[in-house]
This record gives sequence, C-alpha cells and structure tokens, in this order.
Amino acid sequence: GAVVSQHPSRVICKSGTSVKIECRSLDFQATTMFWYRQFPKKSLMLMATSNEGSKATYEQGVEKDKFLINHASLTLSTLTVTSAHPEDSSFYICSARDRGFNQPQHFGDGTRLSIL
Amino acid sequence: KQEVTQIPAALSVPEGENLVLNCSFTDSAIYNLQWFRQDPGKGLTSLLLIQSSQREQTSGRLNASLDKSSGRSTLYIAASQPGDSATYLCAVRRDSGNTPLVFGKGTRLSVIA
Repeated sequence: GAVVSQHPSRVICKSGTSVKIECRSLDFQATTMFWYRQFPKKSLMLMATSNEGSKATYEQGVEKDKFLINHASLTLSTLTVTSAHPEDSSFYICSARDRGFNQPQHFGDGTRLSIL
Repeated sequence: KQEVTQIPAALSVPEGENLVLNCSFTDSAIYNLQWFRQDPGKGLTSLLLIQSSQREQTSGRLNASLDKSSGRSTLYIAASQPGDSATYLCAVRRDSGNTPLVFGKGTRLSVIA
C-alpha cells in the first residue's frame, strides 16, 4: 500500500540552527502534501499545504519565512525550520494523498524536534 | 468552518469488551471521512476511509459507520485487545480538491489486560 516516509525521526539541536525535514511518498505521486504540527496530547494543527511546483499555502498564524516549504517533485516535499528556537520544539508530521478518486491520506512517522 | 468533535476524550476498558468511539462534524457537506490510529510519539495510521455515499466500512475487528445527514460517524472495535491501546482520530475531507483533512482531538483508548 501507499507509504509516506519522513526523515529524520528525531532532531536535537542548538537554538539558531536551521533544520530540514524531508517527506517522501514512496510508491505514489503526490501533487499535494500537508505539513502538520502536534503539541503533546493535542490534535494535529495544519501548518501548510505544499503544492508541487508552486508556492505553499500557509495557514493563518504560520510564518512562511520561518517554516520554508519546498515541493520540488511529485514525491518529495521538505520543511525547513529556519533559525529554530525552543518554542519551535514540537512533533512535525507530513501527509500525502495519492491522485485519484477518494484516495486515503497517508502520514509519515513524524519528526520530533527539540531545540535546546 | 468545519468542526470535528470526538467523544469521549479518553476511554479505559477491560480486554475483550466491544466499544464505540464517536465522531461528529458540523458541516455535513463532506467528501469522505477517515479514521486513524496514533501510537505515542508516532505518526498516524489510516484505519478506514468512508466515502460520503457509503454507510459503513469494515476491516477486521473494526467497523466504521457514517450518517452524513446528521454529521456523525462511529468506530466500533470488537473484542478489544491491549494492542488496541492508542489515540483514535477522526478526520473529514471537504471536497475532491487539494483540501486538507479537518481533525477531531481524538479519543485516547486504554485496553486493560
């Protein structure tokens, strides 16, 4: 079945570092991928919709210069957290849908980001 | 704006019990509804997808129903096992375009051996 791979699974780094998270659809092409953020014991918060070959659509309150999204191919989207600070520490999850009628949405395993 | 509510927020049951998780949504104009499972510190695993024209879907011990007109879905888990312990999330999709899922806050299930 369709699988979404997310890498890395965990990042610990110093404040001010930029961190790149990759999201790949392994056996299908995804024109659209979604990036979510999840706080402990909370539900998923949509950050942005990543469209292949065009600019991402950000949700209200999400800084596009802080969270850079690049969707350069039909199987890869990246999220870069620029100049990360402790308040950016969170669990980031990507998601993708295969093209076609009524396809389910699949999720990566998430990236636990900890900024010291 | 679509809002998805899941009740209860947490549930603890002894092993072997049948249980029902509830999901309601405010806008009945949905394209499909999806149930997910999330284990602690992990991503989401898709369990069942129900199209707006369908009434239910089954996979093993799981059965999901959809009453679109009343804005409700249920996830029925038969003969629960400790391995079923996880957070279960319900999400709806508005249309066939590139619209994101709208999630409920989930039900945290604990099955006690």
